[in-house]
Amino acid sequence: NAGVTQTPKFQVLKTGQSMTLQCAQDMNHNSMYWYRQDPGMGLRLIYYSASEGTTDKGEVPNGYNVSRLNKREFSLRLESAAPSQTSVYFCASSEATAALSGANVLTFGAGSRLTVL
Amino acid sequence: GNSVTQMEGPVTLSEEAFLTINCTYTATGYPSLFWYVQYPGEGLQLLLKATKADDKGSNKGFEATYRKETTSFHLEKGSVQVSDSAVYFCALILNMFSGGYNKLIFGAGTRLAVHP
Repeated sequence: NAGVTQTPKFQVLKTGQSMTLQCAQDMNHNSMYWYRQDPGMGLRLIYYSASEGTTDKGEVPNGYNVSRLNKREFSLRLESAAPSQTSVYFCASSEATAALSGANVLTFGAGSRLTVL
Repeated sequence: GNSVTQMEGPVTLSEEAFLTINCTYTATGYPSLFWYVQYPGEGLQLLLKATKADDKGSNKGFEATYRKETTSFHLEKGSVQVSDSAVYFCALILNMFSGGYNKLIFGAGTRLAVHP
């Protein structure tokens, strides 16, 4: 099983350029997430999708958009990249978001390192 | 608010040394607690978890006990190996039985470096 696959692994952008990070999972999970990881700040949730057809904002959604294309795929788009969006981005998935939170283990992708000049 | 505080790193140890990484939390309600590990160049992986007070999570020689009285979930290992070098994240999730999104809150991470 591939688990959670993210592309690209590395990307360098100029300020104002746009790009889309792709994420796919093959575990038939209902919920998917996009996090960013910055030094000394742990992981912060950008957007999440509790189930196919729904998306919601997390802690730091400004400057991003998402699309839950189908149950497997959840993409993150930067419409006009800014240097503050330089970060490592992680996609994750889980069986569900609600209720049995003790069972809500997230599976993460390997990350996408984005640099905005 | 709800938060997780971890000891700052890096933690540098010799092989076979005893490891403790401190984690304390603030939460309304009754959280479940997790330790995730991130090896170089990889995503986070669940290391262990505990869902209620006094539970002990364990995996790969690592242990952590959910201490409600001290709001702590310290990670320990009796004898570390070079292969344990990684970043360790403590996290909590609130048990929201009414449904909706159960947000996973991460600490800042603690880098562990083990040398031979």
